[in-house]
Amino acid sequence: NAGVTQTPKFQVLKTGQSMTLQCAQDMNHEYMSWYRQDPGMGLRLIHYSVGAGITDQGEVPNGYNVSRSTTEDFPLRLLSAAPSQTSVYFCASSSGQNTGELFFGEGSRLTVL
Amino acid sequence: AQRVTQPEKLLSVFKGAPVELKCNYSYSGSPELFWYVQYSRQRLQLLLRHISRESIKGFTADLNKGETSFHLKKPFAQEEDSAMYYCALGEGDYGQNFVFGPGTRLSVLP
Repeated sequence: NAGVTQTPKFQVLKTGQSMTLQCAQDMNHEYMSWYRQDPGMGLRLIHYSVGAGITDQGEVPNGYNVSRSTTEDFPLRLLSAAPSQTSVYFCASSSGQNTGELFFGEGSRLTVL
Repeated sequence: AQRVTQPEKLLSVFKGAPVELKCNYSYSGSPELFWYVQYSRQRLQLLLRHISRESIKGFTADLNKGETSFHLKKPFAQEEDSAMYYCALGEGDYGQNFVFGPGTRLSVLP
């Protein structure tokens, strides 16, 4: 069972570079989301999607773009990386049936120099 | 302002001792609260949800609306309980957008 797969696991960028964090799930979940995890702040919601073709902003969306062309994939794009975006990023999915259970990926550790 | 607070960054207890991880929240409506756990080298996963009123791995959590708290308790801690614990508030149309607390690292000493 793959569940939620994130790539890459580690990435180092220079300020101003762009990159895409990939997220895929094989559970046919309608709901997908991206969080960032920073020390002392827990996880904060960046963007989320309730289905293919539908995305919305979370608490900290600035500097990030998302798209949802298929049910399975939900990539997160950093357009021009900044040191403030150094963080651990988690993708999560859910069936959207209000069960409260998010299925998380393993995380992607991003460092922006 | 943070809507979910966990006052302890680190909590150390001895094996067999009771443990309580504190969580307080602020929310205007009827809250949906959860505890998530991340064991070493494992993914973040759901531990329990208040609506189920269940006990998982010996842990329970009671929603106290008067004190706006959702503390996680276990009467006898085990070494395998050592992990990072996050309290989370569910919101949004689907109840799937979560506001997470900062987390408490529980260390159970032998």
